[in-house]
Amino acid sequence: DIQMTQSPSSLSASVGDRVTITCRASQVISDYLAWYQQKPGEPPKLLISATSTVQSGVPSRFSGSGSGTHFTLTISTLQPEDVATYYCQKFNSGPFTFGPGTKVDIK
Amino acid sequence: EVQLLESGGALAQTGGSLRLSCAASGFTFSTSAMSWVRQVPGKGLEWVSSLSGRTDATYYADSVEGRFTISRDNSKNMLYLQLNSLRAEDTAIYYCAKTVWYNGLDVWGQGTTVTVSS
Repeated sequence: DIQMTQSPSSLSASVGDRVTITCRASQVISDYLAWYQQKPGEPPKLLISATSTVQSGVPSRFSGSGSGTHFTLTISTLQPEDVATYYCQKFNSGPFTFGPGTKVDIK
Repeated sequence: EVQLLESGGALAQTGGSLRLSCAASGFTFSTSAMSWVRQVPGKGLEWVSSLSGRTDATYYADSVEGRFTISRDNSKNMLYLQLNSLRAEDTAIYYCAKTVWYNGLDVWGQGTTVTVSS
């Protein structure tokens, strides 16, 4: 099975900083990658599908890129409401594995 | 409004069974793919199972293959997850999610809690 990894596992940044989270697949998954945001006590929320398609209602400061095995989620200017854990998920074929998550907080 | 509401979570004994339900509304359930995802509180997300929308093909994580069964009743707009031969490591919050194949899980319920104890 394809394994998903994320780095870093956690980060602390200042409001207004540019934040980049990396997700890697152990094999090529084309662009079948989704990103989710989960705030404490809430279910996850789909932010980005198919590597770079930002979902309706998601702030434009969120963007995704990559292909093959290397993907990134970027928050262009970190806001206090972005404090959350972010997960990637592969969607090329089953199993639809999640990455281990990246916890983002404010410095 | 698109909505998913899980139920059926409970305290169960090791080796026991539970059936989780997910009531869907606000979208065309019969042609939508659906998934179950679980999460141990304070830990990461674990994909459990998915059911394709048009072919009803099923997919399972290795950790639950042969013990859990995903199914649907389109006449009732209901998704189910039958959990058999429960283990302590099945203890988690279980979420159902509307699934857009190759894209992601775009609508999530609030979750239902399963606790497995001897």
